[in-house]
Amino acid sequence: AQTVTQSQPEMSVQEAETVTLSCTYDTSESDYYLFWYKQPPSRQMILVIRQEAYKQQNATENRFSVNFQKAAKSFSLKISDSQLGDAAMYFCAYRFPSNTGKLIFGQGTTLQVKP
Amino acid sequence: EAGVTQSPTHLIKTRGQQATLRCSPISGHTSVYWYQQALGLGLQFLLWYDEGEERNRGNFPPRFSGRQFPNYSSELNVNALELEDSALYLCASSSPYNSPLHFGNGTRLTVT
Repeated sequence: AQTVTQSQPEMSVQEAETVTLSCTYDTSESDYYLFWYKQPPSRQMILVIRQEAYKQQNATENRFSVNFQKAAKSFSLKISDSQLGDAAMYFCAYRFPSNTGKLIFGQGTTLQVKP
Repeated sequence: EAGVTQSPTHLIKTRGQQATLRCSPISGHTSVYWYQQALGLGLQFLLWYDEGEERNRGNFPPRFSGRQFPNYSSELNVNALELEDSALYLCASSSPYNSPLHFGNGTRLTVT
């Protein structure tokens, strides 16, 4: 069965610094999708970045980038120039390639940004 | 563009009662998903509706059910509420089915 593991329950970073959140997953599929979602205290899950497994190039969205290592089944999120508004819980998620409509989420990492 | 809207924001019920949660997807989205976020358990997939049909369900008992209406809005019903049903219930929508999910703010269900 597919699983997603986030081994860091909590992380902290100084404002303007860089932080990397870890995620590993297990799957026997060769094609799938990976996502990072952010959940601030407002509770809404916000899509941060997505990666298609067939793409070798790492996805980037402004200050957010990923390090996708397919062979190692690793999908880490790097946040550069951290801002106070980045403080939230971050979830890594795996999506099946077939039509299941299902996302498997990791347990989440709470990110604290210190001024 | 209005996002995914969920109602009510909070819901308090007694054990054994029924709860009904509602979700309106983003305009143009035909797929609606329901997730349960219980403390300490992360997000668990509940149900997926597309074009009015239930397409997939997670590992939850039959007392969790729902439907999708012709306007693509959706309802989640939880019968015979148990204390462990207390959780944040998140609704998401997408279109087509393999595009990223957009989530609402959730309904906080408390069972006493």
